[in-house]
Amino acid sequence: SAVISQKPSRDICQRGTSLTIQCQVDSQVTMMFWYRQQPGQSLTLIATANQGSEATYESGFVIDKFPISRPNLTFSTLTVSNMSPEDSSIYLCSVGREPTYEQYFGPGTRLTVT
Amino acid sequence: AQKVTQAQTEISVVEKEDVTLDCVYETRDTTYYLFWYKQPPSGELVFLIRRNSFDEQNEISGRYSWNFQKSTSSFNFTITASQVVDSAVYFCASTGTASKLTFGTGTRLQVTL
Repeated sequence: SAVISQKPSRDICQRGTSLTIQCQVDSQVTMMFWYRQQPGQSLTLIATANQGSEATYESGFVIDKFPISRPNLTFSTLTVSNMSPEDSSIYLCSVGREPTYEQYFGPGTRLTVT
Repeated sequence: AQKVTQAQTEISVVEKEDVTLDCVYETRDTTYYLFWYKQPPSGELVFLIRRNSFDEQNEISGRYSWNFQKSTSSFNFTITASQVVDSAVYFCASTGTASKLTFGTGTRLQVTL
């Protein structure tokens, strides 16, 4: 497994502002992902964070709204831009290892938009 | 594309009862992986088990056991002698060659004294 930390653990933000969430892993990993979990719902993949290139977004998620950076193999950021109350969710990063594709999750960032 | 169905939205049992959480998956991939995760009230997602498509051997880990049946596309999870600490939301998930996890909707397990 891997030790994954996220900052901040929670935040309350005003509508129209942006928040950047950080994800740090204690070892180099090839695969990093960002998920959203809306209240009482399951997890939905936002994007795959690719080291050295643009992230790969899932249907329904766009780079302008959720820009992602991944400068190296241990760190990634997700920005939630121009927030609205509908963005209130838990945002989780995960790391995956080949060839088993097991994914381990960070503790999550609980975001509330007012 | 993967699809995972967890038909049980919520289950409530009394401590020491056995409980089975159902998971049915759909995939066109010949190689795929199945997972179970636990999400306690604290919110963190805890990895429990991984199974690959060419290994139908069932697994037991303490009070937990998993039954993988390709014939019925099911990967069910049983907790024996449940405890209050087992109260959580349990997610079944799958991934194929694209290595992206697809989650089921989750089953909330409530274990009471």
